Amino acid sequence: RKEVEQDPGPFNVPEGATVAFNCTYSNSASQSFFWYRQDCRKEPKLLMSVYSSGNEDGRFTAQLNRASQYISLLIRDSKLSDSATYLCAVNTGNDYKLSFGAGTTVTVRA
Amino acid sequence: GAVVSQHPSWVICKSGTSVKIECRSLDFQATTMFWYRQFPKQSLMLMATSNEGSKATYEQGVEKDKFLINHASLTLSTLTVTSAHPEDSSFYICSALPGNEQFFGPGTRLTVL
Repeated sequence: RKEVEQDPGPFNVPEGATVAFNCTYSNSASQSFFWYRQDCRKEPKLLMSVYSSGNEDGRFTAQLNRASQYISLLIRDSKLSDSATYLCAVNTGNDYKLSFGAGTTVTVRA
Repeated sequence: GAVVSQHPSWVICKSGTSVKIECRSLDFQATTMFWYRQFPKQSLMLMATSNEGSKATYEQGVEKDKFLINHASLTLSTLTVTSAHPEDSSFYICSALPGNEQFFGPGTRLTVL
């Protein structure tokens, strides 16, 4: 079983819609969680950190469910510019190393 | 966010040659940097942790003699792909930590002919 798994999508949604997707992790000792956004052929950019139950930043909300070992990302009022691959990353120790999921592709259409 | 740069942004080389990639933290000092590799349609795979002033620690399955890492200063880590082969063609990305969160360089796209 992979350490971090994501639904690859793609999620095709119209502008203004809400889209949500999950990321599951296998190590119950995982301590910190991150969502990164990666555009085609570019580096990942940090979108949000999740250290406790969740986090919210504008139209983006992340939720952590430790009992079921998953984190979710919800995007409200989708914009065309939200089209990207969203990578989930998990840290399991004190060494700051991250395990990444393969990413969820979101395409927002006009 | 913190700024991390990489050089070169892309490189094409012949099989058997060595390629050096630089990763710099521009506005902070980084005692630890990470090197990742990403193949098309796949996720980032951690290759090694670069530690300033000491040896890098490599992930399982990554050959330390093939991927040489040097972290000689608090703002610079280098990855040298020695005797590169076509299967080493990939997107190599570094990251650094100004705090608890990793910020990534723009990546280096390596193509080995």
